[in-house]
Amino acid sequence: EPEVTQTPSHQVTQMGQEVILRCVPISNHLYFYWYRQILGQKVEFLVSFYNNEISEKSEIFDDQFSVERPDGSNFTLKIRSTKLEDSAMYFCASSPGTGSYEQYFGPGTRLTVT
Amino acid sequence: DQQVKQNSPSLSVQEGRISILNCDYTNSMFDYFLWYKKYPAEGPTFLISISSIKDKNEDGRFTVFLNKSAKHLSLHIVPSQPGDSAVYFCAASAGRYTGKLIFGQGTTLQVKP
Repeated sequence: EPEVTQTPSHQVTQMGQEVILRCVPISNHLYFYWYRQILGQKVEFLVSFYNNEISEKSEIFDDQFSVERPDGSNFTLKIRSTKLEDSAMYFCASSPGTGSYEQYFGPGTRLTVT
Repeated sequence: DQQVKQNSPSLSVQEGRISILNCDYTNSMFDYFLWYKKYPAEGPTFLISISSIKDKNEDGRFTVFLNKSAKHLSLHIVPSQPGDSAVYFCAASAGRYTGKLIFGQGTTLQVKP
């Protein structure tokens, strides 16, 4: 069964450093998302991506964040200058679109900012 | 942001019995609702969904009920199995307008053998 994959599973970085989180969505899906979950809190929407552009972003997704689909398979989330409060689980999700609203999530990347 | 609420942080049931997980929402624009199951150190796994034009959707042991007038939905698991022990998230989408999902806080279900 097709699944969303994410790398790395755990990333430790120092405050102020740039990180790139990588995702491979399900191959025939058209919509891509990033969510995050800070320990003990809800899963929060960050950004959605369709047709090679951002379709929606949350207040959390400020200028420090960017997304890219550099080729036909990868979908990346970049944080330019990490802060302590960026420490969280980051989940990538994809959806077939075209009337289907189910989103399928990857296993997540645990980001620890020290 | 309390648009989707799961008021019970935890639920414990005996194997073979029914598990009922509840979810309330406030935003009338929501037109699609989903339940996800999550194990520790894994991503949310899609379980079942329901459109606002329906009041019930069933898939095997899982049934979701939607009461639009009360802005309430519930997930029934019958019969419950120990492998069902996980965190269950309710999520909502205003699918006609946006793809983003708004999640509840989650309910931890423990099914005892």
